[in-house]
Amino acid sequence: DQQVKQNSPSLSVQEGRISILNCDYTNSMFDYFLWYKKYPAEGPTFLISISSIKDKNEDGRFTVFLNKSAKHLSLHIVPSQPGDSAVYFCAASGGAQKLVFGQGTRLTINP
Amino acid sequence: DAMVIQNPRYQVTQFGKPVTLSCSQTLNHNVMYWYQQKSSQAPKLLFHYYDKDFNNEADTPDNFQSRRPNTSFCFLDIRSPGLGDAAMYLCATSRTVSNQPQHFGDGTRLSIL
Repeated sequence: DQQVKQNSPSLSVQEGRISILNCDYTNSMFDYFLWYKKYPAEGPTFLISISSIKDKNEDGRFTVFLNKSAKHLSLHIVPSQPGDSAVYFCAASGGAQKLVFGQGTRLTINP
Repeated sequence: DAMVIQNPRYQVTQFGKPVTLSCSQTLNHNVMYWYQQKSSQAPKLLFHYYDKDFNNEADTPDNFQSRRPNTSFCFLDIRSPGLGDAAMYLCATSRTVSNQPQHFGDGTRLSIL
């Protein structure tokens, strides 16, 4: 039973445009959500997080939105740059659950 | 200035031959985690240490053990590796278990011959 789902295995976006990565979760006890970025042959790197008391958190080009009623979060990257090409994982924790990861979305930024 | 260091980056072992993977951290974090990640799948938590307290996930096979001799180091021991244990093994650390980002090493890719 997958508690955190990233339904798009891949996404292709033109440089300079907005990239929107989506994530859904099923466990209503989750109260802390994160996005990680992973380059090949490297470990995941923490990008941005959001607590369930907020619905938006922004850090430079990265913004995470949380819709608790829909159990949905998204990561917006604007403007997208070639160095943003990577696999993005969303993750959630809360209640008795440690961090649970989605399966990842491979983002490709085209020049 | 890597903060979570995993050694080796690549490990090859024989079927059934015990293997140990190593992780060290310079962050002085209380919690250290071990994850298993197979191709195109989400990282799966095996266990974690909060200081010296060991916490095993319910579905982690008995074949997997861990040791944390001090704050900085944590080891993953696979007693009798099977072909299904070939994967990337990721170590991570965090200050506490709740509402804190985890910081990952670059992983050890384990191959079983």
